[in-house]
Amino acid sequence: DIQMTQSPSTLSASVGDRVTITCRASQSVSRWLAWYQQKPGKAPKLLIYKASSLESGVPSRFSGSGSGTEFTLTISSLQPDDFATYYCQQYKTYSITFGQGTRLEIK
Amino acid sequence: EVQLVQSGAEVKKPGESLKISCKGSGYSFTSYWIGWVRQMPGKGLEWMGIIYPGDSDTRYSPSFQGQVTISADKSTSTAYLQWSSLKASDTAMYFCARVVGPTMYYFDYWGQGTLVTVSS
Repeated sequence: DIQMTQSPSTLSASVGDRVTITCRASQSVSRWLAWYQQKPGKAPKLLIYKASSLESGVPSRFSGSGSGTEFTLTISSLQPDDFATYYCQQYKTYSITFGQGTRLEIK
Repeated sequence: EVQLVQSGAEVKKPGESLKISCKGSGYSFTSYWIGWVRQMPGKGLEWMGIIYPGDSDTRYSPSFQGQVTISADKSTSTAYLQWSSLKASDTAMYFCARVVGPTMYYFDYWGQGTLVTVSS
């Protein structure tokens, strides 16, 4: 299995901050990577696919980059609605794996 | 509008069987893979398996192979996740989600989740 490791596990930030979350794969997944946002008690929401493609309806302050084994999710200016947990997911094959999650909390 | 609607919360005892459901609407149910994802209390997302309702082709995560059964009924546009003998460690939220496309194994629409509690 391809292991996905996110860092940091928890991130404290303020409204208006620029934040970056990193996701590393144990082997190359090319650009087959997605990012999700999850709020407590809710289903995950797709933000980014193919490493950098923004899902329809997702605000442009979210962006993704990377390829191979290292990827980043950046939120350019944090809004109150962005405080949530974020997961990366590789889909190089059908045997997908998620990162362990990064909890973004209010400083 | 694409929707995946899951069955309601369940409370079961260890050793009991269970089948939860996920009904798709607003798209061609037989043309998209459906996946199941587990989230244990306070933990992250774990992929369990996927099924293609068109021909019932099913793939399991090695971690869940033999532990659960995934199935689908084309006639009712419903996917299922079932257990023959529940354990306390099966207590979790279970999500179904639609896979975007062949070889594009990420999820664009999700069900609301089904909370399964297993306790004696």
